[in-house]
Formats: sequence, structure tokens, C-alpha cells
Amino acid sequence: RKEVEQDPGPFNVPEGATVAFNCTYSNSASQSFFWYRQDCRKEPKLLMSVYSSGNEDGRFTAQLNRASQYISLLIRDSKLSDSATYLCGRGGNKLVFGAGTILRVKS
Amino acid sequence: DAGVIQSPRHEVTEMGQEVTLRCKPISGHDYLFWYRQTMMRGLELLIYFNNNVPIDDSGMPEDRFSAKMPNASFSTLKIQPSEPRDSAVYFCASSLAQPHEQFFGPGTRLTVL
Repeated sequence: RKEVEQDPGPFNVPEGATVAFNCTYSNSASQSFFWYRQDCRKEPKLLMSVYSSGNEDGRFTAQLNRASQYISLLIRDSKLSDSATYLCGRGGNKLVFGAGTILRVKS
Repeated sequence: DAGVIQSPRHEVTEMGQEVTLRCKPISGHDYLFWYRQTMMRGLELLIYFNNNVPIDDSGMPEDRFSAKMPNASFSTLKIQPSEPRDSAVYFCASSLAQPHEQFFGPGTRLTVL
């Protein structure tokens, strides 16, 4: 089993929709998690950090479920500009990334 | 403030040649990371440094790869000799501490023919 697993998608959603994707992790001792956004042919950029149960920033909400060992990312009122690959990272001695989830928001 | 700087942005070379990738981390960041990203394997950590000292190089694929950090503002990743399977995007990232948010450079797109 991979340390961090994500559904690769793609998730195809219309503008204005709410979309959520999960990231599961295998190390129950993990204390910190990160969501990164990566646009095509660009570097990953930090979207949100999660150190406790969750975090919210505008239309984006991340939640951590330690019992089930997953972290979710919820995007409300999707915009065309949200189209990207979303990478989940598990913190610790080193950051381990999932393979990413592709989101496509269509008009 | 300048972000992480990488050079070159693109590199095309022939199999067997030596390739050197360069990185300047964000000033004041104590940690520097080298990643490789491919479609097949995703984003993989190759090696990371803390205060210029290599801490974990378990991700370095083989002896053809080496990395150095001679000072707090400069690091290199060298591949010698290069092979076509080394073709990938190589990212450098830096952070203030561990665990902590990492900031990525724009990457070097390497093609080995």
C-alpha cells in the first residue's frame, strides 16, 4: 500500500458545483498534512495546511479524519480557474505526496 | 521576495552526458529538497538537506545521481552519466522547518535523448 493515496480522477464538474476529494494515508502517527495545487507544466503551490482537525480558506475546506486516516478537500462554488491537479502531502521527517487528483471545471 | 530559483529551466542532452541542475532556496529557509516528477511515478523526493547537510538521500535512484549544498544559498543536483529514463521535471523546494510548508521552484524540464 502506498503511503499516500489519491483518486487520480479526473473529476469533471460544472461551474458553481461543490466537489470533494479524499486522500488516504497509512502512517497513523502523521501530524501534518498539506494540499498543493499544480497547474499544467507549473510547480506545485501550497493551497492549505492542516495541523489539527481541519482548515478553511474561503471556498476551500480541508478536513482531517484521524480515525479513518484520510484528509479531504472540499471546493465550493467551483470556478473555471480551479481546474488543476491537487496533490495531497503527508508531513513528517519528509513530505510524501500522493499522485494527485485532476479537477476539471467546465462552463 | 524572490522565491526558489532554479536553472536551467529546460535542458536537452544526449545519453551519457553530465547534467547539472541548480537551485537557490528562499533566503532564511533551513531545508532544501530535490524532487523528480514524471507521469508514471508522480512527485518523488530524491534528497533533502538541513542547514546544508544531507539528511535523507534514500530517494536518489542510483549512484549516477549526486547532490551537494556548499552553502545556504546554493545546491546542485548532478546526473552523470545521464540516461533517457532520467527525463523528467526536477523541482527544488525549500522550507523554514520540518514539518512545514514547502515552496517549490519552477522546475527544470530535463530531456535525455
